[in-house]
Amino acid sequence: GESVGLHLPTLSVQEGDNSIINCAYSNSASDYFIWYKQESGKGPQFIIDIRSNMDKRQGQRVTVLLNKTVKHLSLQIAATQPGDSAVYFCAENWRSQGNLIFGKGTKLSVKP
Amino acid sequence: EAQVTQNPRYLITVTGKKLTVTCSQNMNHEYMSWYRQDPGLGLRQIYYSMNVEVTDKGDVPEGYKVSRKEKRNFPLILESPSPNQTSLYFCASSFGPGNTEAFFGQGTRLTVV
Repeated sequence: GESVGLHLPTLSVQEGDNSIINCAYSNSASDYFIWYKQESGKGPQFIIDIRSNMDKRQGQRVTVLLNKTVKHLSLQIAATQPGDSAVYFCAENWRSQGNLIFGKGTKLSVKP
Repeated sequence: EAQVTQNPRYLITVTGKKLTVTCSQNMNHEYMSWYRQDPGLGLRQIYYSMNVEVTDKGDVPEGYKVSRKEKRNFPLILESPSPNQTSLYFCASSFGPGNTEAFFGQGTRLTVV
C-alpha cells in the first residue's frame, strides 16, 4: 500500500545549528502534509502543515518544504534548542478517508 | 485546559481478559480516533469516528472494538487481548476528518502476557 516514510531514523545536531528532517511520501493524492513532534512519554503534537498546492510554509522557527516532483517533504528547524529533542513524524491527510497516515519517525537529538 | 484524557496510562493484563481503555476530550471535537504505536512501524490508525454513533475501521482494526455513544468519549475495547496487541495506544481528536491538527492523549502502554 501507499506509505509515508523517512530517510534517516536519527539526527544529531549542535545547539544553535539548523536542523533538517526529511520525509518521502508515495501518495500524490493527499491534500495536506503535516509534521508532528513527539516528546518522550507524550503524545504527538502538531507542529505545522502544508497544503499540497504549496511549496513552502513558515512558522515560528520552522519551515516546511514540499517538493511534489520527487515526493519529498522536509522540516527545517532554525537555531535548534534542547527542547527540540524529540521524535518527528511526517504525516499525510486523506480528507476523503478522514485519517492521518504517519511515517515511521526521525529522532532528533540536540547536543548542548 | 483543552485536552484528551486516556485511562489507564499503564496496563498489564493476561491473554483473553477483556479490557477497555477510555478516552475523553473536552474540545467538542467531532472526529476521534485510536492509534497504536509500535517500534519501527510508527503510528497506525485502528478505528475512527466522525461523529456520535458513526465509527469506521482504520488500517489495523482486527481484535479491537470501539463505541461512540457520546461526543466526548471514545473507548477502545479489546474483547480478548492477545500478546500481539502489546503496544502503546493513543487516542486523538480533531474538529473534523479534514483537519490536520489532531490533539493526542498521553498514551496507554498495554502489555498482554
